[in-house]
Amino acid sequence: GESVGLHLPTLSVQEGDNSIINCAYSNSASDYFIWYKQESGKGPQFIIDIRSNMDKRQGQRVTVLLNKTVKHLSLQIAATQPGDSAVYFCAENSGGYNKLIFGAGTRLAVHP
Amino acid sequence: DTEVTQTPKHLVMGMTNKKSLKCEQHMGHRAMYWYKQKAKKPPELMFVYSYEKLSINESVPSRFSPECPNSSLLNLHLHALQPEDSALYLCASSQDGRGAEAFFGQGTRLTVV
Repeated sequence: GESVGLHLPTLSVQEGDNSIINCAYSNSASDYFIWYKQESGKGPQFIIDIRSNMDKRQGQRVTVLLNKTVKHLSLQIAATQPGDSAVYFCAENSGGYNKLIFGAGTRLAVHP
Repeated sequence: DTEVTQTPKHLVMGMTNKKSLKCEQHMGHRAMYWYKQKAKKPPELMFVYSYEKLSINESVPSRFSPECPNSSLLNLHLHALQPEDSALYLCASSQDGRGAEAFFGQGTRLTVV
């Protein structure tokens, strides 16, 4: 299930299940979006990106969906594994050249 | 080589000290970034350099002073910091232009005492 509180929202899933992480972005002019994975003590790691002229893009075990009407982005992870446990951030190229702005983040906890 | 290297990994400094954070990349990227990240928060953009020129300053206090000596190096000079400046400082680089994947370093964990 998902919980939101004073800390990062957390999505808890069982190993092997599919995970869906959601993100609302702020700028309707943003035209490029990235999902990053950040493990404890490390820098953000690129997962997948999508441009605003697309609705969906698939990678290896991951799919990103973009709904520009409601300014919503989602990351789907198939067959979630313990190694997927991390904090996931969406980022938007917002309002100008090279200006990559991060969303609030979601912690994914994968249980065996 | 798809690596962004940051040094040092950890830094403890007093409020009267002057120190510098360093970042290096050899991917031929012409855009370089500094972000600040507090615990359980997203990275916050501080500065962007494009072709060695400062293109974005997100109203960062002057006690943080960026420098881009060449296309591979990015420094962040620190002076008279406050304890609330303690954070993870992340460097990133990308091909210049909109719609370019940014590669991040592992960060410098800074503690101001």
